[in-house]
Amino acid sequence: EAGVTQSPTHLIKTRGQQATLRCSPISGHTSVYWYQQALGLGLQFLLWYDEGEERNRGNFPPRFSGRQFPNYSSELNVNALELEDSALYLCASSSNIGLTDTQYFGPGTRLTVL
Amino acid sequence: AQSVTQLDSHVSVSEGTPVLLRCNYSSSYSPSLFWYVQHPNKGLQLLLKYTSAATLVKGINGFEAEFKKSETSFHLTKPSAHMSDAAEYFCVVSEGSSNTGKLIFGQGTTLQVKP
Repeated sequence: EAGVTQSPTHLIKTRGQQATLRCSPISGHTSVYWYQQALGLGLQFLLWYDEGEERNRGNFPPRFSGRQFPNYSSELNVNALELEDSALYLCASSSNIGLTDTQYFGPGTRLTVL
Repeated sequence: AQSVTQLDSHVSVSEGTPVLLRCNYSSSYSPSLFWYVQHPNKGLQLLLKYTSAATLVKGINGFEAEFKKSETSFHLTKPSAHMSDAAEYFCVVSEGSSNTGKLIFGQGTTLQVKP
């Protein structure tokens, strides 16, 4: 069974540009989560999508946004990039059968803002 | 509010010796607790999960963790370290993330395994 996949692996942008990151969940999983892993800041919760709806977001500005498609894949968009947005962005997915909260992570997208 | 504290930022052991990575948590509820491992330039891999079924939880690759409510601890152990265990380990708490979607991560412990 394929795990969570993310693309691209690496992304290099300049300040002020927009970045789009993509995530495909494990087959059968309906929830997708996004986390930011920035140097010195640890892993921080960004967004949660389930059944196409944004269910919760972390303490990030509105220029971090996303969506979930009917096939449950997801996009994370970061507008007006700033240098401090440079980080590893991790996507996770989970099944909502039995309200399990186990999240399975993808390999991440390394975003570098120059 | 939920929180988790990993007591050591860096642990160094020799190959073949036991591993102990320490984690304390704070929770208003009966928490779900996890340990994840991250190898260099990789995503997070689930090692094990505690959900109140049993206080001693066995995970993959010979790791296990014991939930101690009286000490609010969830330490990760392995009897004998392998070189391939060198990685960063995260203790994670979930306060019903089925409702919030949010996992709360510790700051991580880097495990170094010396030959």
